[in-house]
Order: sequence, then structure tokens, then C-alpha cells
Amino acid sequence: DTGVSQNPRHKITKRGQNVTFRCDPISEHNRLYWYRQTLGQGPEFLTYFQNEAQLEKSRLLSDRFSAERPKGSFSTLEIQRTEQGDSAMYLCASSLVIWDREPEAFFGQGTRLTVV
Amino acid sequence: SQQGEEDPQALSIQEGENATMNCSYKTSINNLQWYRQNSGRGLVHLILIRSNEREKHSGRLRVTLDTSKKSSSLLITASRAADTASYFCATDLPSQGGSEKLVFGKGTKLTV
Repeated sequence: DTGVSQNPRHKITKRGQNVTFRCDPISEHNRLYWYRQTLGQGPEFLTYFQNEAQLEKSRLLSDRFSAERPKGSFSTLEIQRTEQGDSAMYLCASSLVIWDREPEAFFGQGTRLTVV
Repeated sequence: SQQGEEDPQALSIQEGENATMNCSYKTSINNLQWYRQNSGRGLVHLILIRSNEREKHSGRLRVTLDTSKKSSSLLITASRAADTASYFCATDLPSQGGSEKLVFGKGTKLTV
């Protein structure tokens, strides 16, 4: 499978625990995005990377959220001290950005987080 | 806040009928994209229309863009049960160096 891969697909955690999600983008893609989607809503932008550089993180929901892409390949999204309100689907997408082309973003299947 | 707003929020039609969904947005854009999402799954890219284009076709899909009204429509012709899904429009915010992030609406839930 050469698409965007996210692990795990489902995560149930107790409130207050830390969780980490992984995203493996399409191999030649230079951009990687994280979105959060709650029930009945569209995806909400969180952050994105151009190669290993995190170009925007102001949309991360709080300082409990952090993301890394250490070698410009896979990325991790960590939520510390989880709260019930963090329950949502976390989506990763990647794209190949070339100067004169508008990128099509390819999404993974998402990680569904349930905080109990 | 979300840039795009889809209309209607929900649409139910019979197989073989056409389905039309609309999207309105607030600021100028580089392009507008439509995505489909089956329940509990990731999003699938359907079609991209650039700000200098007015209409685009892909199979049974037809997308129009009216930048003066800041609106777009997605038409699915001869719908099938497999078209049942949520449909989202996504706009990018223009910035130096090209588009950076997609901003999604709340979606239209289509039932065929």
C-alpha cells in the first residue's frame, strides 16, 4: 500500500494519559498535514510540515499538543494529559508541493481517539 | 473558524437522480477542492478547480466555481448507492510560495 498510513487506527485511553499517533506519508511527498475531525464537522487544520520544518503550529489546540517530523519522513502527533474533549478522529495528509502546481492532499484513514 | 460552508447539510435522493451540493467561502482563494468521506474513514480527493477556471468535469462529477459570488457547486449525475458519503469543499488560503493549508467546511451528507 503506497498511500498515507496512520497508526493506530483506534486508541482508547484514560483521561490524563499521554498518547502518540504516527503518520507515514506517501514517500515522495514533501508536505505533511495534521487535522482533527469531530463528529458532524469537517476536518480542522492543526499543523503542517514542509519536509522536517514545522511551518505552522499556531492552530494546535493547546500546549498539550505537539507534532514532530524529525527526518522529513514520518510524523508523530502527541497529546499530553488527554481530556475527554480530545476525543476525535485525527487525520494526516500529505502532498507534493511544486511551485507552480496546486497540491492535491492525500489523506490517511485516520486515528480515532476515545478518551474515557 | 471554517472558511467554507456546504449547503445543504443533508441530502437524500433516489438512485439515478442527480445530486447538487453547494459551497460558499469567505476570502479569495487559489483553488477549491472537493473531497468525499465515507463514514468513519479518511477523505478521498475528488476534484480540484483553480480560481481562474469556471467549470470542470471528471466522470460523473461536474464542478463549477463563481469567484464573484465566492461559491462552488458539485454535481453528481446518475447517482448510485455507492455515492452515499459526506462531501466536503476545501479552500486554500493564498500565500507567498503557494497554497499552504486546506480549510474545510462542515460537509454535506448525501444518502442515495
